[in-house]
Amino acid sequence: AQKITQTQPGMFVQEKEAVTLDCTYDTSDPSYGLFWYKQPSSGEMIFLIYQGSYDQQNATEGRYSLNFQKARKSANLVISASQLGDSAMYFCAMSRMDSSYKLIFGSGTRLLVRP
Amino acid sequence: DVKVTQSSRYLVKRTGEKVFLECVQDMDHENMFWYRQDPGLGLRLIYFSYDVKMKEKGDIPEGYSVSREKKERFSLILESASTNQTSMYLCASSSRKDTEAFFGQGTRLTVV
Repeated sequence: AQKITQTQPGMFVQEKEAVTLDCTYDTSDPSYGLFWYKQPSSGEMIFLIYQGSYDQQNATEGRYSLNFQKARKSANLVISASQLGDSAMYFCAMSRMDSSYKLIFGSGTRLLVRP
Repeated sequence: DVKVTQSSRYLVKRTGEKVFLECVQDMDHENMFWYRQDPGLGLRLIYFSYDVKMKEKGDIPEGYSVSREKKERFSLILESASTNQTSMYLCASSSRKDTEAFFGQGTRLTVV
């Protein structure tokens, strides 16, 4: 069975500093995808970054990078140079990459950026 | 722009009522999902569908059913609404080729 675990319910970071949001996962599928989504107070779900299980390099998208450690089954999100607008809920997610595409999410981490 | 549209933003229903939540996507996506979001629990998968008329249970299917008669529409049905089904419901869709799921705006359902 698939499982996503986010152990940090809430975090603070000072503006302009970097922050790491933790995510561990469990799956027996050989092929899977890992995602991070942001949900601001407005409620919309914003896709941030994707990592495939066979990707050799860690994914990066602007200030976001995904620290993928396959052996440890972790997929931490690193946000560099935090901005006030980064304050939001962050969800880690995982999908099976076969014909029955199942996408599950973790419980989320609320990030607050301090000025 | 990809669009996933949920039929209602807010809904108030009485205990025991049959409730239909509708979701429509306009990008010809194969996969569609229904989640409920509760504080501290994140998004929990109720049901998903990877093709027309194909559906699979997610992690919390009890009390819910779904219907996907057309590719663009995925309906969530609460057969007999109960107060513990008060929640935010999110619909999403994705293509098998894409790596991103697109979400609707959510339906906040209150069962009284």
